[in-house]
Amino acid sequence: SQKIEQNSEALNIQEGKTATLTCNYTNYSPAYLQWYRQDPGRGPVFLLLIRENEKEKRKERLKVTFDTTLKQSLFHITASQPADSATYLCADAGNNRKLIWGLGTSLAVNP
Amino acid sequence: DTAVSQTPKYLVTQMGNDKSIKCEQNLGHDTMYWYKQDSKKFLKIMFSYNNKELIINETVPNRFSPKSPDKAHLNLHINSLELGDSAVYFCASREQGTTYGYTFGSGTRLTVV
Repeated sequence: SQKIEQNSEALNIQEGKTATLTCNYTNYSPAYLQWYRQDPGRGPVFLLLIRENEKEKRKERLKVTFDTTLKQSLFHITASQPADSATYLCADAGNNRKLIWGLGTSLAVNP
Repeated sequence: DTAVSQTPKYLVTQMGNDKSIKCEQNLGHDTMYWYKQDSKKFLKIMFSYNNKELIINETVPNRFSPKSPDKAHLNLHINSLELGDSAVYFCASREQGTTYGYTFGSGTRLTVV
């Protein structure tokens, strides 16, 4: 079955460093891979979308890359700040266009 | 504010009761969704409506019934609530055919006791 997997271990980094989160997919090819941020008690907030024919997308301090050989998308936050601490989710519409979600990776940026 | 708003934010109820959650979006989107997020934080789609027409209906007990009176509203009615229905329910919307992501409401935490 189509799956999206994210590293379930929390990521702890020092303020100012670059955070890199991973999203791996199996058994299908993503069409529009999306990244969201979720804070406790809130709904996911859309950050970036990368299409299957794109290698990289940027928005301010955020960067998403797409490697179809590795079947992986990487999400980078440069110059990370404590306010970036949250859970980051990746999702894709899959072959049947129903959004498939990863479980998310929790990021903690320490001052 | 342009947003997806859902009410109530918290809902505590006894087993066997019937309850409704309301959702409204003022973004002009044509597609709305209901998602369930369980205690493991897994987001699972339940229903989707496009211009008041049901387009996604996942394997959800028929105690759950969505209703879309117009494209800006999607309500969720749950009959005979069970303990396992306890979760956070999110409403979301998007414009079909675009590559923009989904806009989510802030969620309704349902606790069945």
